[in-house]
Amino acid sequence: DAGVTQSPTHLIKTRGQQVTLRCSPKSGHDTVSWYQQALGQGPQFIFQYYEEEERQRGNFPDRFSGHQFPNYSSELNVNALLLGDSALYLCASSLVLADNEQFFGPGTRLTVL
Amino acid sequence: AQSVTQLDSQVPVFEEAPVELRCNYSSSVSVYLFWYVQYPNQGLQLLLKYLSGSTLVKGINGFEAEFNKSQTSFHLRKPSVHISDTSEYFCAVSDPVEYGNKLVFGAGTILRVKS
Repeated sequence: DAGVTQSPTHLIKTRGQQVTLRCSPKSGHDTVSWYQQALGQGPQFIFQYYEEEERQRGNFPDRFSGHQFPNYSSELNVNALLLGDSALYLCASSLVLADNEQFFGPGTRLTVL
Repeated sequence: AQSVTQLDSQVPVFEEAPVELRCNYSSSVSVYLFWYVQYPNQGLQLLLKYLSGSTLVKGINGFEAEFNKSQTSFHLRKPSVHISDTSEYFCAVSDPVEYGNKLVFGAGTILRVKS
């Protein structure tokens, strides 16, 4: 049973560019959440998707957007990259009927130069 | 808004000694509490969780935590640590009433086990 997978593993972009990160949830899960973890900090909630809609959103600007596909996989898009967007981006999946536990992927390390 | 405070940024301890990593959370009517471990350059692995019931929760790798509602704490303990326990540990809280059940994390505690 595959766990949560994310791609790519690492990514380097320059300021002003746009980036797309991808996540496949654990088999059987229908909800995907995204977190940003800056160096030396705990993860911060970006948003959560269920039934292809944004279910809840954290305190992040509109430059951060997402999408969920019918197969429950998800994308995180960040526009107009800033140096401060450099972080580890974590995807977590859960089951909406039992969403007290989230399973995390290995993350995508984004570096903005 | 919910918040989590991990009182120690780093905890050094000798191998086979006991350890306690401290976590306090902002009070809410009801909460779910979690401890995660993060190995270098990896995602988060769940150690244990408190949803309801017994206030003493046992997790993987010999870890346990005690939910104390009056002190709004959820400290993580292990009676005897190993070198392999060296890692960063995160306490997190979610509100089961809040739609979406997002996790709010503390800043993390680095556990350094010395031989």
